[in-house]
Formats: sequence, C-alpha cells, structure tokens
Amino acid sequence: EAAVTQSPRSKVAVTGGKVTLSCHQTNNHDYMYWYRQDTGHGLRLIHYSYVADSTEKGDIPDGYKASRPSQENFSLILELASLSQTAVYFCASSGTNTEVFFGKGTRLTVV
Amino acid sequence: KTQVEQSPQSLVVRQGENCVLQCNYSVTPDNHLRWFKQDTGKGLVSLTVLVHENDKTSNGRYSATLDKDAKHSTLHITATLLDDTATYICVVGDRGSALGRLHFGAGTQLIVIP
Repeated sequence: EAAVTQSPRSKVAVTGGKVTLSCHQTNNHDYMYWYRQDTGHGLRLIHYSYVADSTEKGDIPDGYKASRPSQENFSLILELASLSQTAVYFCASSGTNTEVFFGKGTRLTVV
Repeated sequence: KTQVEQSPQSLVVRQGENCVLQCNYSVTPDNHLRWFKQDTGKGLVSLTVLVHENDKTSNGRYSATLDKDAKHSTLHITATLLDDTATYICVVGDRGSALGRLHFGAGTQLIVIP
C-alpha cells in the first residue's frame, strides 16, 4: 500500500531554534515535495527533489532548506525558526503520470 | 496571482442533500485536474482525477466533470453524509508526469449537518 509518513505529527518550536521535519515514502517514487498550508490558502511548494542527493527550490523557499539523503527520505530544515513559519507542512511523493500521495501533515507552532 | 479558484469558499448542507463544488483555473498547460478530500487535521486523499477534454468520472457518491475549453471543473456529491464534512481541494497539474507542477486551490469547506 502506497504510503508517505511524516514525523513528528506536531511540534512546538522556539523562535530562532532549529527544526527538522522528516518524510519517508515507500512508493518507490522519484519525486518528493514539501508544501505548507496556511488557513484560507492553498498549499504552497517550498522545496522538491527528483533524485537522491539533489533538491530544488519551490515557490517559497526562503527560510527553509531541504535534504534528500535517499530515494525514500526527504527532510525539511528550518535553521532559524520564525513566527511566520507557523503552519501545517505536508510532504508528498509522485511517480509516473498523475499519481501523487500525501502524508498526514505536521503541525508546527513557533512561539 | 491565484491560478486555481474554488467556489463557494464554504457550504452547509443537510444530510441527504446533493451539492456541487466549482473549480475555475487559468493554469496553462492543464494536463490533468484532481479533486482531494481533506478531513480536519488530516492529509489529502484523492477522490478522482480528470485528464481529457470533457472528461467525466464517478467514484461512488462523488462525480466530477472537466471542461478544458472553459478551464472549469465541478465536483458533485450526492446524498451527502455527515462524514462528507471536510475541505475539498482542486489541484491542476501542468504536466502528465512527476516533472510537472501542481497548482492548488484554497479549497471549499463543506459542512454536513443532521
């Protein structure tokens, strides 16, 4: 069964601290993505990757880094967390044609 | 600029009623369009995907249409249930492969009341 697993599912971080969100997929997909969702807005693409050891900037990359150490794993890193980064973060993986699967989301609160 | 607009923003219906959700977009090219259901605090679950001009799909009580000329899609939910309460998100893909970008609407919040 196709799966995208995110951890942690929720986190409270202090301003200026470092936060790492992890994503693991078992779909054998080449592409992985990180999105953020804010109330009343659609999902916005932060970073994506189409192969291990390589990442690409999405539409809103500022303040975020990404890491793809293997095909299965994709991390989102906030080096200096800020209040404006409070949001729900979704990881997704995609393969051929239109197939795409999303994780259940990580609720990040920066205080 | 928002390329995928959904309407209404929110909708309240009584259990058993039918409802229609709208999606208008300006994404070019428009390779495919997918409707997702997102329960509160949960991830996105795909309901259906439409690919071709004038495509129509059916998935149980969910049915959808796509008009690529008008860049418009509708999602119909028949005989709504309380469990249909969720946000429904329209997503347009500009390529038919993982190389493409996904463009998300802000969603329609559907509330089904007894």
